[in-house]
Amino acid sequence: EVQLQQSGPEVGRPGSSVKISCKASGYTFTDYVMNWVKQSPGQGLEWIGWIDPEYGSTDYAEKFKKKATLTADTSSNTAYIQLSSLTSEDTATYFCARRGSFDYWGQGVMVTVSS
Amino acid sequence: DVVMTQTPVSLSVSLGGQTSISCRSSQSLVHSDGNTYLYWYLQKPGQSPQLLIYKVSNRFSGVPDRFSGSGSGTDFTLKISRVEPEDLGVYYCYQGTHYPNTFGAGTKLELK
Repeated sequence: EVQLQQSGPEVGRPGSSVKISCKASGYTFTDYVMNWVKQSPGQGLEWIGWIDPEYGSTDYAEKFKKKATLTADTSSNTAYIQLSSLTSEDTATYFCARRGSFDYWGQGVMVTVSS
Repeated sequence: DVVMTQTPVSLSVSLGGQTSISCRSSQSLVHSDGNTYLYWYLQKPGQSPQLLIYKVSNRFSGVPDRFSGSGSGTDFTLKISRVEPEDLGVYYCYQGTHYPNTFGAGTKLELK
């Protein structure tokens, strides 16, 4: 059974960074890209970018290029997203989702930016 | 960016009834490889989105045949027949053809 288990909620101060994880199981981690999606409170969905765990290659939506950094650790089958220079606009739930079709999703991580 | 316009914004339906959601893109979603990367997702309250339909009309594993997708180019439709309580939530269309990938704003399906 494919599962994407994300880390717990995060609180970050303005200007700081947070790093959240997405641990994959039930399939070969390097077979598929991992996407990340943002959902602001009460809002819709925004694609942030993807990482190919096998090669480490990445692609980002333009608005997230200076905000998000995607990495992956094949030894632990875990993908990561680091969000830097946090502002109130980064308060949101962040999902990981497998493949270009987003066929499986993590449960989401709530990131709250607060001083 | 490709704008995905979903209509209606919200929908009331009776259990057992039928309904449809429209998704229009600002550009054709036919990729140079011949595929059309248009997807439909359902986000139930308090849950992550779940894939229903991929590449316009293909039901994902385990999705009931009450859900069907159709369309081409810039106009796409999700039809839901024999609506059940588990179908309630927000439906999103999504395009993966053009960079950056973009979602529709969502259609909320509620009970009448």
